[in-house]
Amino acid sequence: GAGVSQTPSNKVTEKGKYVELRCDPISGHTALYWYRQSLGQGPEFLIYFQGTGAADDSGLPNDRFFAVRPEGSVSTLKIQRTERGDSAVYLCASSPSGQETQYFGPGTRLLVL
Amino acid sequence: GQSLEQPSEVTAVEGAIVQINCTYQTSGFYGLSWYQQHDGGAPTFLSYNALDGLEETGRFSSFLSRSDSYGYLLLQELQMKDSASYFCAGLNSGNTPLVFGKGTRLSVIA
Repeated sequence: GAGVSQTPSNKVTEKGKYVELRCDPISGHTALYWYRQSLGQGPEFLIYFQGTGAADDSGLPNDRFFAVRPEGSVSTLKIQRTERGDSAVYLCASSPSGQETQYFGPGTRLLVL
Repeated sequence: GQSLEQPSEVTAVEGAIVQINCTYQTSGFYGLSWYQQHDGGAPTFLSYNALDGLEETGRFSSFLSRSDSYGYLLLQELQMKDSASYFCAGLNSGNTPLVFGKGTRLSVIA
């Protein structure tokens, strides 16, 4: 595909459950970013990968959040023991090498009941 | 860290010109980007300023003044499809994540 894709597009879960959100970046893009966006707010940075390694994870709110990118392409954001406050749109973006232009996916809308 | 301030809402008439301002407070500021986001959609890149001055891309232009910690997005010949949220986003270096403002919701009316 030409753009960043994210699956699932929507996820409804119960409080306390575990969820995984997937991001397929644009082919060849080495930099990958996860953001979280609440209604009426701008995207909030979570974690940034350069290749396989997390270059900056300072935005992860707590240790319930974890992300991996084992082969330097697809990334998975994992949330343990979900809380209602985790409900948001989770956006993934990629760029060729950490440049200023980031290409965003459509997001995963997570609702924790 | 960074913080960016922009108006929450702007309304303008179709065919007119609108300017969306963004002021920032940051250490290690590198550049300012602008993104457009339609309801339910993904943010899409509009422009980037690393140097002072005006960058023009079709109907959209973006301006940066580093000495004033200020920038703006200028939209000309407004069309109904320009109704969306517009975010300014600061960059600390070429390889770090963006810090977004809260967004300006633009409504274009006939």
